[in-house]
Amino acid sequence: SQQGEEDPQALSIQEGENATMNCSYKTSINNLQWYRQNSGRGLVHLILIRSNEREKHSGRLRVTLDTSKKSSSLLITASRAADTASYFCATDESSSNTGKLIFGQGTTLQVKP
Amino acid sequence: DTEVTQTPKHLVMGMTNKKSLKCEQHMGHRAMYWYKQKAKKPPELMFVYSYEKLSINESVPSRFSPECPNSSLLNLHLHALQPEDSALYLCASSPSRSHTKDGYTFGSGTRLTVV
Repeated sequence: SQQGEEDPQALSIQEGENATMNCSYKTSINNLQWYRQNSGRGLVHLILIRSNEREKHSGRLRVTLDTSKKSSSLLITASRAADTASYFCATDESSSNTGKLIFGQGTTLQVKP
Repeated sequence: DTEVTQTPKHLVMGMTNKKSLKCEQHMGHRAMYWYKQKAKKPPELMFVYSYEKLSINESVPSRFSPECPNSSLLNLHLHALQPEDSALYLCASSPSRSHTKDGYTFGSGTRLTVV
């Protein structure tokens, strides 16, 4: 079952603008991860935020986590055409150490040059 | 080596065929995963292997048969598939089931078409 809801489903911006996508989940988690997928390819791990963290940065990426609202956001600053891809959040449930990641529905980002 | 290698990249098979997908990693990871992804949908977990033993089967039909011959290799044997099984099949690995703090490493997938 997929517990993550992401919005927007699709986002189109101009190069240089910032892109924000949101993720909500339902259960308690150990961590929340964000992945990027270029069309028809494998997923690339971008960033992981633990349940006891509120914000994390990596290069042009900024992730926030609000465990009280069971939500997270991914901000990509100064976007580039190469950022065009689908972005998925994925949660690692805390109820068991199964390694099971549950993915959100994804946001398709188009960055226009 | 920080990659997960999947072969073949593309596969077309008939409903009566038997084929296998292969996944290999040399990062010393002891957890490996199979995911299925339909177009414009998120990946869905199929199987989890931990230390070469099957630990999770997400109620996958028996026409999909996973195998982990050693710590570096994961296979998915396919038999009597249906057209609706056409999808991108992704393999991933992590240091262990409970050690996912660096995320999964995914392969680039096998695009399967069942005719």
